[in-house]
Amino acid sequence: GESVGLHLPTLSVQEGDNSIINCAYSNSASDYFIWYKQESGKGPQFIIDIRSNMDKRQGQRVTVLLNKTVKHLSLQIAATQPGDSAVYFCAEIDNQAGTALIFGKGTTLSVSS
Amino acid sequence: GAGVSQTPSNKVTEKGKYVELRCDPISGHTALYWYRQSLGQGPEFLIYFQGTGAADDSGLPNDRFFAVRPEGSVSTLKIQRTERGDSAVYLCASSLGGIYTEAFFGQGTRLTVV
Repeated sequence: GESVGLHLPTLSVQEGDNSIINCAYSNSASDYFIWYKQESGKGPQFIIDIRSNMDKRQGQRVTVLLNKTVKHLSLQIAATQPGDSAVYFCAEIDNQAGTALIFGKGTTLSVSS
Repeated sequence: GAGVSQTPSNKVTEKGKYVELRCDPISGHTALYWYRQSLGQGPEFLIYFQGTGAADDSGLPNDRFFAVRPEGSVSTLKIQRTERGDSAVYLCASSLGGIYTEAFFGQGTRLTVV
């Protein structure tokens, strides 16, 4: 499957491949992280979340990995489908400090069949 | 309604005019966020409400921008003396407000200042 070590703005994969989208977050005190999917003309849609006391969480076809040492988050999508084509954003929040949900840079995923 | 509702969906206004953008959050959600999203960019935080009060308004770019949530439900984002650079999609989100709760987004209002 396709993967990127650092954040890249675009990722192109073939249908059926596994995709890995990376995100570097900014606040070492952030304790909750969310991945959002945004399709054209729509608001961001929740995909999966993870708390800072975990390093991995799995959903349906998606897995989020958290590396607090290097402040890195990744989203893995298994068996990528054309319907997965969208822009993906990670977001962080520091609940203890009561901060707002802050978004990282997006990655545009294009899936070709 | 079932989701976050934003009105209008599109707004075209002339430079210098005043605009109001409305957000109806999910019923029972105490936290409400406003974001601004320019083409090709991620949502940029503007202001965050917990109940009726602004918990964090550090993202408002200048004093032309103001938001209210008088009864802890519907919120209005107000922009005075609009400028062409204010053109963007304005997104609203709400959450239950407790920790570790996800935010649900509306479809956004596309503001165009001509």
